[in-house]
Amino acid sequence: AQSVAQPEDQVNVAEGNPLTVKCTYSVSGNPYLFWYVQYPNRGLQFLLKYITGDNLVKGSYGFEAEFNKSQTSFHLKKPSALVSDSALYFCAVRDSRTDKLIFGTGTRLQVFP
Amino acid sequence: DTGVSQNPRHKITKRGQNVTFRCDPISEHNRLYWYRQTLGQGPEFLTYFQNEAQLEKSRLLSDRFSAERPKGSFSTLEIQRTEQGDSAMYLCASRDSRNTGELFFGEGSRLTVL
Repeated sequence: AQSVAQPEDQVNVAEGNPLTVKCTYSVSGNPYLFWYVQYPNRGLQFLLKYITGDNLVKGSYGFEAEFNKSQTSFHLKKPSALVSDSALYFCAVRDSRTDKLIFGTGTRLQVFP
Repeated sequence: DTGVSQNPRHKITKRGQNVTFRCDPISEHNRLYWYRQTLGQGPEFLTYFQNEAQLEKSRLLSDRFSAERPKGSFSTLEIQRTEQGDSAMYLCASRDSRNTGELFFGEGSRLTVL
């Protein structure tokens, strides 16, 4: 079965510092991987996706993610964090049979001024 | 606004009552998904439609839950005889199956069962 794991419940980082939010995946076949962000009492907003091609994927709001097949990881990164980046971040993988997205448990990012 | 629209945004009900949520997807999207999210957790898949056909239902979807998409456009999710454990955010998303792209989510409908 397809699944993703987000090993950190919370990540704290100072404004201006680089941030990393971790995600590992387990799939059969080629992975389709996604990152979403959720602000309080809001729906999920798409950040970026990996389907095929370059291992470094660039997305919205200055975020990027690195696909690493050997480590089965898809970590979200940003070179310089903003206080406004504070939110809940979800990694997801597409189920190849049904096309639905399977989400991780989420990581709360807190950026301190 | 051409995004996914959900209503009501908030619903407070008493245990045992029925509730219905509506989702209007992006107009050209043929696939529509329902998810449930409880506090501090990731969204859990409930069901999805391709046009008007319901293609998969999660085991989370008890027989008190029913979803429809009668004309392949908007969808409704009904919960009968609500229980306190049904309290959650119900999220709707849509996409075009011809693309390998992402799901587009609505703002969600928050249900509180007293």
